[in-house]
Amino acid sequence: DTEVTQTPKHLVMGMTNKKSLKCEQHMGHRAMYWYKQKAKKPPELMFVYSYEKLSINESVPSRFSPECPNSSLLNLHLHALQPEDSALYLCASSRDSPSSYNEQFFGPGTRLTVL
Amino acid sequence: GIQVEQSPPDLILQEGANSTLRCNFSDSVNNLQWFHQNPWGQLINLFYIPSGTKQNGRLSATTVATERYSLLYISSSQTTDSGVYFCAVESLTGTASKLTFGTGTRLQVTL
Repeated sequence: DTEVTQTPKHLVMGMTNKKSLKCEQHMGHRAMYWYKQKAKKPPELMFVYSYEKLSINESVPSRFSPECPNSSLLNLHLHALQPEDSALYLCASSRDSPSSYNEQFFGPGTRLTVL
Repeated sequence: GIQVEQSPPDLILQEGANSTLRCNFSDSVNNLQWFHQNPWGQLINLFYIPSGTKQNGRLSATTVATERYSLLYISSSQTTDSGVYFCAVESLTGTASKLTFGTGTRLQVTL
């Protein structure tokens, strides 16, 4: 099974709302990732969790707050977002073996619109 | 950081045609992946190919790590091959790894 699931599929929120994106994998992977993809652009890395610890934060604004409650789950908490944060948010996971086999598998994404 | 360029940026093919997509990267990398992004945004894994050549049906890929490029070959293209093709390279930041995506090739296959 190489499935990564994400909920919700679509989300519309106002700039004063608080919402969360969820990601889950059951492949026994120990690394999980959040990416942001704007229209007609490639995905860009936001955060990396390795063994449930935040290991990379690509200078993401604090209105995005990641959380890794356990090795299978990854959340992205959203607060006071701006319209320019509207994008496709992709979650991925991998074995976390940087010097060895470390293929990343992606979820279907959450399409976020900020009004 | 590492730069990843893909060519061509756009490609229109008739069904049944063959094509070659190229991915150039600016520094040595641990690994390289090729993805197909369908119109709904799902990234589908095509190849995990740090070096050498792999084949999967009508698709094949070759990575020459020493010369910092990778090629994706699509033969006998079908309309379902339409979408955006990304290469992505893995590099290390401390003990964590990250993927940097290329600029993408948008492929349209017509009847």
